[in-house]
Amino acid sequence: GDSVTQMEGPVTLSEEAFLTINCTYTATGYPSLFWYVQYPGEGLQLLLKATKADDKGSNKGFEATYRKETTSFHLEKGSVQVSDSAVYFCALSVRAGGGNKLTFGTGTQLKVEL
Amino acid sequence: SQTIHQWPATLVQPVGSPLSLECTVEGTSNPNLYWYRQAAGRGLQLLFYSVGIGQISSEVPQNLSASRPQDRQFILSSKKLLLSDSGFYLCAYTRGTMNTEAFFGQGTRLTVV
Repeated sequence: GDSVTQMEGPVTLSEEAFLTINCTYTATGYPSLFWYVQYPGEGLQLLLKATKADDKGSNKGFEATYRKETTSFHLEKGSVQVSDSAVYFCALSVRAGGGNKLTFGTGTQLKVEL
Repeated sequence: SQTIHQWPATLVQPVGSPLSLECTVEGTSNPNLYWYRQAAGRGLQLLFYSVGIGQISSEVPQNLSASRPQDRQFILSSKKLLLSDSGFYLCAYTRGTMNTEAFFGQGTRLTVV
């Protein structure tokens, strides 16, 4: 079946540090890939996406590249801020039953300290 | 604009009682609809998804069921709740193509006592 595996958290970094959150996937067919973010006390919102191999999604300084050969979509940011503290979810979407099925990873909590 | 409504926000129910959580979507037709359970350490577990009226796909065996009586209405139900059904339930929708963003409701915190 379809699945997403993320590195376990929490990840604790100092402000301005480099961030990588690993994500790998297993999918039937050719998925689209997403990163969602959940800030404290808020709902999930889309951070970035990529729909085909070698695409790079980017937003708010975050980037992730769709790597079909390694079935990965790792999230990176060059310099994190305290305001980036949140839970990050990797997700994939595949065609299923005439629509699309959206599967999430377990989430990785990021804590950024001064 | 598109919005998604989910209610109630919190619910405390005794073991063995029935459950009905409702989710409605506005501003779009023929959405793909989803029910997730969010638990610490398990992320967002996909419970059910629906691509159309009366079409329900179940992802995990459990004590819950889902129905879609109307195009923009998605209901999560149980005939008899178990303690293990406690959790945070999220409804979401996408606009039918696999490349589009998912929008989430505010969630329901269910406590079975």
